[in-house]
Amino acid sequence: SQQGEEDPQALSIQEGENATMNCSYKTSINNLQWYRQNSGRGLVHLILIRSNEREKHSGRLRVTLDTSKKSSSLLITASRAADTASYFCATVIRGNEKLTFGTGTRLTIIP
Amino acid sequence: EPEVTQTPSHQVTQMGQEVILRCVPISNHLYFYWYRQILGQKVEFLVSFYNNEISEKSEIFDDQFSVERPDGSNFTLKIRSTKLEDSAMYFCASSVRGGRSTYEQYFGPGTRLTVT
Repeated sequence: SQQGEEDPQALSIQEGENATMNCSYKTSINNLQWYRQNSGRGLVHLILIRSNEREKHSGRLRVTLDTSKKSSSLLITASRAADTASYFCATVIRGNEKLTFGTGTRLTIIP
Repeated sequence: EPEVTQTPSHQVTQMGQEVILRCVPISNHLYFYWYRQILGQKVEFLVSFYNNEISEKSEIFDDQFSVERPDGSNFTLKIRSTKLEDSAMYFCASSVRGGRSTYEQYFGPGTRLTVT
């Protein structure tokens, strides 16, 4: 099994709707981070949530973390066309410093 | 806003040739990283670098790979003898602090390496 699996793999919604993406992981973590990647471009850091935190907000983004279920969710409220991108979760395990990325969710916002 | 820059944006090379990918991390950052993303696959960690030495590396980062910080601003990834399977997007990242990466890593736009 791989550390960091997002679902769904692809999501299409109407502009203005909320988008929810989920991430599951296998081992205990130090923190979990969400990144956005526009097609063919670099990764943009969105939000970091530590293992002792349960929820974090940043603008239209809301991230939750359930360490008992080893899962996280990213909610984008009031979606915009510019939110169209791939979204990745990345975990950092204790005693380590590398990011381990998931497979990503491709989000398409339909104007 | 400060950002990580990478050059070139696209590099085409023949199998067996050496390539050097260049990165300029954010100026006050102390931890530097290389990742790669083969087309359609996950982003994979290659190596982390702190205080002029490798702090962690993955199985991918074999003897064909090396990293260097030749001056106060550049951070390079060298592949000595490229293989077809080295074709990927290579991302440089930096963070202000790290060690156990409680801090965000900021990524550059990537260099697309094509080995023919």
